[in-house]
Amino acid sequence: AQSVTQPDIHITVSEGASLELRCNYSYGATPYLFWYVQSPGQGLQLLLKYFSGDTLVQGIKGFEAEFKRSQSSFNLRKPSVHWSDAAEYFCAVAPIMEYGNKLVFGAGTILRVKS
Amino acid sequence: DSGVTQTPKHLITATGQRVTLRCSPRSGDLSVYWYQQSLDQGLQFLIQYYNGEERAKGNILERFSAQQFPDLHSELNLSSLELGDSALYFCASSVEQGGGAYEQYFGPGTRLTVT
Repeated sequence: AQSVTQPDIHITVSEGASLELRCNYSYGATPYLFWYVQSPGQGLQLLLKYFSGDTLVQGIKGFEAEFKRSQSSFNLRKPSVHWSDAAEYFCAVAPIMEYGNKLVFGAGTILRVKS
Repeated sequence: DSGVTQTPKHLITATGQRVTLRCSPRSGDLSVYWYQQSLDQGLQFLIQYYNGEERAKGNILERFSAQQFPDLHSELNLSSLELGDSALYFCASSVEQGGGAYEQYFGPGTRLTVT
């Protein structure tokens, strides 16, 4: 079945430590890939996207993500986490559709940053 | 600020009632999407409109309907409301209608509480 999996519901990291959030997808053809962040009480902000080309993509706020076709993964990374990064992070895919468009989201990973 | 606006921010209503949620897309965007975010279902795609026409449909209940007007704003109508309809409803917009390779920008959401 087509799905997006974020295996970690919660992650806690110390401020200044590195971060990696995992995302795996299961689709017949490689979909388009996105990471969004949602702060409490806020909407979803696009961090970065992968459509094609270089498998390491840079986003806003110092985030990057790497697409690995062999592992059907699109993991999000940040070398040094700041307290303001505490939020919920969603991996999303846009299945390649002949007509129309939609995003399919993972369940989200809540990031806590401890000082 | 994504440029997508949604009104109202909060809505409290009783079971059996009908409500209308409104969305204005970013300037220049022709596609509007509606998503529902709830604790048990996560983020779910409901429906997409492109330039006034329905383009893609997700798990939208028959009690729910949407439309996009000539000025491109969209409304999501929820009727015969049930307690389980309580959720955060997001609107998103993008430039194009399909193919997947276009990022969607999200509004701040409307929090609906059904009592």
